[in-house]
Amino acid sequence: NAGVTQTPKFQVLKTGQSMTLQCAQDMNHEYMSWYRQDPGMGLRLIHYSVGAGITDQGEVPNGYNVSRSTTEDFPLRLLSAAPSQTSVYFCASSYHRQGLLWVAFFGQGTRLTVV
Amino acid sequence: GNSVTQMEGPVTLSEEAFLTINCTYTATGYPSLFWYVQYPGEGLQLLLKATKADDKGSNKGFEATYRKETTSFHLEKGSVQVSDSAVYFCAPTRISGYALNFGKGTSLLVTP
Repeated sequence: NAGVTQTPKFQVLKTGQSMTLQCAQDMNHEYMSWYRQDPGMGLRLIHYSVGAGITDQGEVPNGYNVSRSTTEDFPLRLLSAAPSQTSVYFCASSYHRQGLLWVAFFGQGTRLTVV
Repeated sequence: GNSVTQMEGPVTLSEEAFLTINCTYTATGYPSLFWYVQYPGEGLQLLLKATKADDKGSNKGFEATYRKETTSFHLEKGSVQVSDSAVYFCAPTRISGYALNFGKGTSLLVTP
């Protein structure tokens, strides 16, 4: 059972470089989301998606773009990396059924350093 | 919207000590309540959950009761182990919500 797979696990970027963090899930979940985790700040929501073709901003969306062309994939793009984007990034997928529970499954995280 | 307040860590306990991690929330309507745990170097994983008032979630010896009157969902364990060392996140969410709102997390260190 693969669950939620994030790649890469580690990445170092120079300021101004671009890159895409990949996230894939094999559970056919409708909802996917990206969080960043910083010391003392907990997890903050960057962007989320409620289905293929539908995305929306979370708490800290600036500097990040997302798209959701398929149910399985939800890549996060940094167009011009900045040191303030140094963080650990987590992708999550979730299911929601009427009257039932909302549970999120997380990837292992991507540790990004921008120098 | 939802917001959540967790007790600040780090919390350091000796093995077999009693654990309480406080969590209170503000929410519109009646959210579902979750505790997630993050072991070192890993992503978050669901620890336990409760979906309505007075529900008690339990897993791996941990318990939390959904207290509507105090808007709280405190996490407890009667006897912690070294393997419980991790960061614990409280997360209330509306049934109609799209993503989780997490507390800042409480780091727990259990020493032998």
